[in-house]
Formats: sequence, C-alpha cells, structure tokens
Amino acid sequence: DAGITQSPRHKVTETGTPVTLRCHQTENHRYMYWYRQDPGHGLRLIHYSYGVKDTDKGEVSDGYSVSRSKTEDFLLTLESATSSQTSVYFCAISAYTEAFFGQGTRLTVV
Amino acid sequence: EDKVVQSPLSLVVHEGDTVTLNCSYEVTNFRSLLWYKQEKKAPTFLFMLTSSGIEKKSGRLSSILDKKELFSILNITATQTGDSAIYLCAVEETSGSRLTFGEGTQLTVNP
Repeated sequence: DAGITQSPRHKVTETGTPVTLRCHQTENHRYMYWYRQDPGHGLRLIHYSYGVKDTDKGEVSDGYSVSRSKTEDFLLTLESATSSQTSVYFCAISAYTEAFFGQGTRLTVV
Repeated sequence: EDKVVQSPLSLVVHEGDTVTLNCSYEVTNFRSLLWYKQEKKAPTFLFMLTSSGIEKKSGRLSSILDKKELFSILNITATQTGDSAIYLCAVEETSGSRLTFGEGTQLTVNP
C-alpha cells in the first residue's frame, strides 16, 4: 500500500461543531486531494493541493476548507458540520501518475 | 464543466460471463483516463490509459481508450465472484492533475 494514512477512520459529531480530518503521506508526492463519496454520486472532489500552501477548490468545496503547511499533511476542516456532510471522505495522493487512496473516514453528523 | 459518465450503473451477472463497462467523458484538458476497483474500502488502481487504440491488459481485465470518440471500455472475461465491486472511471486533466470521477458501475457476480 502507498504510505497514506487518514485519521480518524470513523467519527460521529454534532451539527454545528467543527471537525478536522487529517491525511498524512510518507511518499513525498506533490498532489493531494480530498474526495467525498456518496451513493449515486461517485467520488466528488472537495479540494486539492499541488504543493505546500497551494490549494484549490473542487466541485463541492462549499462548507469545507483545507490547509497544507507541510508536504506530508493535508487537513480538511468542516467549520460547522451539517447533516449533508455525512459521508465517506477519501484522501488521495499523486505524483504525475495514478492516484493512491487512503482507507477513508466515515463521518456522521447528527 | 468536466463530466465523466459511466454505464451501466449496476450490473448483475453469473460467474463465467464476460462484461463490458463503459466510460465517456468531456474534459477540457485531457491527460489520461484511469480505472479503479473499489471493494469495501479504498479504490485500488487498475489501469491508466493515455493513447487511443492501445489495449492495456491485466489477467482477465483489459481496457482501451478512444480519444476521438471520448470513451473507454473495461472488459472482464470469465468473471468470478471476487470481481464483485464498484468500478470507477476517472479522467485526469493536464493542469493541476485533477481527477474527475464518474459515478461508478456496481458489478455483482453471482455464483
């Protein structure tokens, strides 16, 4: 497996609370991504990063922010979680070839 | 807006059947098309296609890309129950290496 770790793997949180998901890689890959996966929608890109402090929005970025202060870490923050953000979140890394995925974080907002 | 469409969305077959999964795309700056298999956890990489007409093969799986007609197919011959999974197609852009995914095809192979 590519060296990519997501934490936490599972989380239940209340509506309105902030939540941060962490993606950590040991591959020194330039590109990092956050996707969410929902039934009927496949994988949808939230945000991605093409270098330290270089990030850009994906197709479903509203309600999410990201930060990448080090090559190895890419954080996804839900400033005020809503029930519509209940989903499985995947981090992925890439270095000009195929992307490798983390094991996913199942987030439930109640 | 970039778009990747997979068909069928779900498919149920019997062991030994051959299946063909389809992926069509509209992407502004195409770089490559990728196929992934997703069982219970993270998607795992199957193929990357960059050139038209060149078949990629791995065991019973094969895939080909048509850059003129903007589609790709994934073939699985002599299917087994272990092939049951969601098959995802993604297109990579030249700029920023963004991946846009299709909705996926849920394949179920019954014994």
